[in-house]
Amino acid sequence: DTAVSQTPKYLVTQMGNDKSIKCEQNLGHDTMYWYKQDSKKFLKIMFSYNNKELIINETVPNRFSPKSPDKAHLNLHINSLELGDSAVYFCASSEGTGVTYEQYFGPGTRLTVT
Amino acid sequence: AQSVTQLGSHVSVSEGALVLLRCNYSSSVPPYLFWYVQYPNQGLQLLLKYTTGATLVKGINGFEAEFKKSETSFHLTKPSAHMSDAAEYFCAVSDLGNDMRFGAGTRLTVKP
Repeated sequence: DTAVSQTPKYLVTQMGNDKSIKCEQNLGHDTMYWYKQDSKKFLKIMFSYNNKELIINETVPNRFSPKSPDKAHLNLHINSLELGDSAVYFCASSEGTGVTYEQYFGPGTRLTVT
Repeated sequence: AQSVTQLGSHVSVSEGALVLLRCNYSSSVPPYLFWYVQYPNQGLQLLLKYTTGATLVKGINGFEAEFKKSETSFHLTKPSAHMSDAAEYFCAVSDLGNDMRFGAGTRLTVKP
């Protein structure tokens, strides 16, 4: 049973395109996150989403937008893709907000922009 | 803002040897500290965390870490390395908010 799943696992696309990455968690968690891991392995939080409250990392371009159709899903939409968007994107979830709650990570989506 | 520095992007040990992965943090408030492990092509998995209380924290797979406020450190150790420990390890810090800041990671190689 996969706790946090992401699709697709790999995504190769050209500059200027719009793409989406899907994330689903079957843990019944209330909070979900998106992280970006760059080529140097730095992991940065992009968004957290809890009960329709979205907290955005101020460094994230507005080309990135999370969409949550329900509590179990948090999809990531990216418009006008740029070369610098190439990275591995991780979805995560936790039972509640705050770092005392363990975050469970998905396997990641490797995005390559050419 | 809080941050972490992981000393050494790559650590290599022999099987059965001590594992020591170093992490120093910077935080203006008492921090929450974490160690995560990432196996190839997998997501991050929590190894252990320090929030309050006992400064020596035991985690999964025989790992432990000690919070040393005077040294602003949270080094990860394991007495005896196993081949299955080969992975990327990330230290992370947070204040009381949701935001976790991760280090750049340390790749652990275990030689037979």
